[in-house]
Amino acid sequence: QSALTQPASVSGSPGQSITISCTGTSSDVGGYDYVSWYQQHPGKAPKVMIYDVISRPPGVSNRFSGSKSGNTASLTISGLQAEDEADYYCSSYTRISTYVVFGGGTKLTVL
Amino acid sequence: QITLKESGPTLVKPTQTLTLTCTVSGFSLSTRGVGVGWIRQPPGKALEWLALIYWDDDERYSPSLRSRLTITKDTSKNQVVLTMTNVDPVDTATYYCAHNGGAGSYCLNYWGQGTLVTVSS
Repeated sequence: QSALTQPASVSGSPGQSITISCTGTSSDVGGYDYVSWYQQHPGKAPKVMIYDVISRPPGVSNRFSGSKSGNTASLTISGLQAEDEADYYCSSYTRISTYVVFGGGTKLTVL
Repeated sequence: QITLKESGPTLVKPTQTLTLTCTVSGFSLSTRGVGVGWIRQPPGKALEWLALIYWDDDERYSPSLRSRLTITKDTSKNQVVLTMTNVDPVDTATYYCAHNGGAGSYCLNYWGQGTLVTVSS
C-alpha cells in the first residue's frame, strides 16, 4: 500500500506559521477522522502531536493544530520556534490494513 | 507511567528469521482496548507500520509484509513479540514498538526508544 503523500520539506522563520499537507484517498484520510501527526527529532522516537485530526494530547503546545478537507489533512504550526525543527509524519487509519499507514515525512527547517 | 522497550539482535544474516521483543510497563496487555504495534524506519527514511496486536489477540498486519510477519503477546511477561522471516538487507532499520491510544484509537501515543537491526552477511 502506498504511503500518504507529504512534501519532502518546508521551512519558515521564527514566529511565522507553516502548514504541512498529507494527501491520501477515500480509503484512508478522506474516509475517516483518524489522522495523527508525529514529530521526530534526529535520533529520537516519534512523538504524537495531533490525533483524530484535530485533538492535541496533554502537554502539546497549542501552537500545533490539525485540520482536514477531503482527502488532505494538514498540520499547522504557528509562532515557529527553533525547537520545532524536526521531521513530521502523518498517519491515517486505512480500511486496507484496518490499522494505519504513514506518510513519507516532511523535514521542517526553521531558518 | 507507560514505557516500552525493544530488544533483539543487532545483526542478522540474510534469509534468517528476526525475532524482536517489546517489554512494556505501566499498563496491562489484557486491558480492554489496549494494543501494541511495531513500526520500522530504515536509515534516513520514513516510518513504516508493520503489525499490531490487541488485548483480545486480534492481529493486524501491513498488507505488503503480512506473509513474513507474526505478532504475538505474552500477558504474564508483559511482552509483545514480532517475528519476521526471510530477512533481506532492505529490512535494515530501527524497529520501534508503540502503545495504541486505547479502544477506538488509531494513534500511537507511547513509543519505545527503538532498536537498530542490521541485515548483512
